[in-house]
Parts: sequence; structure tokens; C-alpha cells
Amino acid sequence: AQKITQTQPGMFVQEKEAVTLDCTYDTSDQSYGLFWYKQPSSGEMIFLIYQGSYDEQNATEGRYSLNFQKARKSANLVISASQLGDSAMYFCAMREEETSGSRLTFGEGTQLTVNP
Amino acid sequence: DGGITQSPKYLFRKEGQNVTLSCEQNLNHDAMYWYRQDPGQGLRLIYYSQIVNDFQKGDIAEGYSVSREKKESFPLTVTSAQKNPTAFYLCASSILSGVEQYFGPGTRLTVT
Repeated sequence: AQKITQTQPGMFVQEKEAVTLDCTYDTSDQSYGLFWYKQPSSGEMIFLIYQGSYDEQNATEGRYSLNFQKARKSANLVISASQLGDSAMYFCAMREEETSGSRLTFGEGTQLTVNP
Repeated sequence: DGGITQSPKYLFRKEGQNVTLSCEQNLNHDAMYWYRQDPGQGLRLIYYSQIVNDFQKGDIAEGYSVSREKKESFPLTVTSAQKNPTAFYLCASSILSGVEQYFGPGTRLTVT
């Protein structure tokens, strides 16, 4: 079974609107972390946001927020007020701290296009 | 400035040749990682190391080898045994108990 599932290969959003990128995960660990990374066409991976499994509040970082629903095993990324520079590939990743230590498992990504 | 450097950015090799990709970090991180990315796909872990002179296989280690003789360096050798070596290779590092992995700019390897 896939540990990280991103069901949206591509998403389109109008500039200044909000967009939600979906991520579901599968783990039996009690302690784990969820990450979102952005990859522009240049290829570098840019860390956006982190949510720990024991964090009660949803993580927020500027225009990025993580909608963490533990019972549903989902960790969706919400980008508010989209900008043209947000066009990129977005990856959800998980660290299973009990079984895998510091290793990250990545989903297959969602290509976001922001239209002017 | 602190960071991770990978060189070269583009690398071309003939089939049957071994090739070594370099990864250097000056962040004083204990852990280092190598990932492979194929077009339109996510990252897959090749090898990782949490301490000098020790490393572990990731999910797709076959056809690759690594060494960790210094804390700041974690070179990856793509051997001729790797059946489909053409890919984008990313190196990352982190502190052992840290949240974030910091990534280098990547090396695009093309084998013909």
C-alpha cells in the first residue's frame, strides 16, 4: 500500500484565490511527521510546512496552512491568495519516527498552475 | 553561507561507466540522504547516513554505492549495474532530531 497518496496530478487556480492540495497517508506509527515541499521547475526542494502527529493545532506558515485530520489520515495543504510564483510541483512527505527514524517517504506530487 | 552543494548540475556519461555525484554540506548536520527523482514522480530514497563511516540502504539501493568518510561529504556512485541511471539526483541533510531536511540543487544525470 502507498504510504503517501496525492490524488491530484494537476491543479489549476486563479491568481489571488485559495487552493487545497490533497494528501492522505498510511502508517501504524503513533509518532510521525508530515511535510510539504515545493519544487519549482529549477528542481530544488523548498520546505514549506510541518505537522507533528501530536500537534493539536493545524500548522500555519504565512500563506500556507496544513489541514490535519488525524482520524482520516489526511494532511492537506492550503495555499491562500495564490501568486504566479506558486506555480510548481508540490510534494507531501511523511516521517515515521518509530519505524523509519529520520527517513522521509514522498508522494508522487501535484503540479499546481496559477493562472493570471 | 551555509548550505548543500551538489556538482555538477548536469552530467553525461556513456552506458557501462561508473559515475560519482558529489554532495557537500557545511551545516554541521549529522544525517545525509540521497534521493532519486524520475520525471513526473516523487523522490525515492537511495541511501542515507546518520553518522560518519556508517550508512543504510534506502528503498532503491541496487546499483548504487556511497561512502561517508567525512561528516560534510556523502558522495554517491552510480555503477554500471544500475539499469536505468538517467534521473535527477537530490542530496539532503538534517540534524538527527530535526524536523526539516535541507536539499541541495540536484544533479541531472543522463546516461546514453
